[in-house]
Amino acid sequence: SAVISQKPSRDICQRGTSLTIQCQVDSQVTMMFWYRQQPGQSLTLIATANQGSEATYESGFVIDKFPISRPNLTFSTLTVSNMSPEDSSIYLCSVLPGNTEAFFGQGTRLTVV
Amino acid sequence: KNEVEQSPQNLTAQEGEFITINCSYSVGISALHWLQQHPGGGIVSLFMLSSGKKKHGRLIATINIQEKHSSLHITASHPRDSAVYICAVGAGGTSYGKLTFGQGTILTVHP
Repeated sequence: SAVISQKPSRDICQRGTSLTIQCQVDSQVTMMFWYRQQPGQSLTLIATANQGSEATYESGFVIDKFPISRPNLTFSTLTVSNMSPEDSSIYLCSVLPGNTEAFFGQGTRLTVV
Repeated sequence: KNEVEQSPQNLTAQEGEFITINCSYSVGISALHWLQQHPGGGIVSLFMLSSGKKKHGRLIATINIQEKHSSLHITASHPRDSAVYICAVGAGGTSYGKLTFGQGTILTVHP
């Protein structure tokens, strides 16, 4: 199993600024996944964060907008850069240690004004 | 068309009723996950399955790989079962671990 601590739980930010979201896992995992849930939509994968290599981004997401760090096997950050109101969403990190069920952070509810 | 479709989107039941939520998917998968999210709470895994059937308490999950369909059943439903239930499919191969989510089913169980 895995327990994920995600911070912050919510934030209200001014447009044009950046917010960094952190996820700390209580065990070592190879891959961490970052998801976004826009209002009324299902969760969508932003990128996969691997330790020691560049993150892999899904179609429609770019590193300049969502830079990711993965300094070790228990921690990752996602930054939402140059924010606009369209970035208002819930952001989630997730891991699947081994061939097991998925574990999720509590989510970060971001509002851009 | 979404790769993962859930039905119904909203479901209201009386306490004690048998509930079924369906999930159909159109892509190859390594596993299918059923997740639960209570209001104001985080997402919790209920089941991960790649074949057959799993049971945990009053919850039963089944999957038919050939038909690309899964169902989540709740027997003797209770108001505490009120939550959003989400189906997610996991990719295989080099995309292992990536999940594609359905839109969720909002379940409300009245006493």
